[in-house]
Amino acid sequence: GENVGLHLPTLSVQEGDNSIINCAYSNSASDYFIWYKQESGKGPQFIIDIRSNMDKRQGQRVTVLLNKTVKHLSLQIAATQPGDSAVYFCAENGSNDYKLSFGAGTTVTVRA
Amino acid sequence: EAGVAQSPRYKIIEKRQSVAFWCNPISGHATLYWYQQILGQGPKLLIQFQNNGVVDDSQLPKDRFSAERLKGVDSTLKIQPAKLEDSAVYLCASSKRSGTGNTGELFFGEGSRLTVL
Repeated sequence: GENVGLHLPTLSVQEGDNSIINCAYSNSASDYFIWYKQESGKGPQFIIDIRSNMDKRQGQRVTVLLNKTVKHLSLQIAATQPGDSAVYFCAENGSNDYKLSFGAGTTVTVRA
Repeated sequence: EAGVAQSPRYKIIEKRQSVAFWCNPISGHATLYWYQQILGQGPKLLIQFQNNGVVDDSQLPKDRFSAERLKGVDSTLKIQPAKLEDSAVYLCASSKRSGTGNTGELFFGEGSRLTVL
């Protein structure tokens, strides 16, 4: 189950499939981006970050892609597992801005 | 390494009452943030301290919300009087950031869930 290009508030994924979560950011001056995962009843947890001088960054089972031209960020999760079910937020920051601003979030549900 | 501690985890009050939330950041972290997260939305920054000084409180409703960070460590967020629309989770976060430049990773606490009746 992959959805590319559009920001969707919810995403349902079959266990074992790859997931793609999209985010459109608003501030062209933003040069630092973070993806957070938030499980029910918990605070957001850091997944991966990327700076604007990069287009791609990989972590363990996750990849973040940044397209500055269209102000778009995506998070790819490989081989999605039940423990990946959560709300995922992208957040942006500019080096001259003290604030880390969060997007609306995408709820990912993993089907067994 | 101990994480960000918050209390209480849950609070139920009636409108026009007051409430206070407490946060203890990760040791050594210079910057402390209070975010408000309304159900179904992303966190919204209320106030940000660097050491014990305020660097951004532009989205804090100052007629009813106040926050302080004494001695650059613990912080309290107070709401007085509370309104129904203040029902939310109040998240505290801290980061190592001590000057200008990007925020770096923010470490969040579990949050304090407020219900205003």
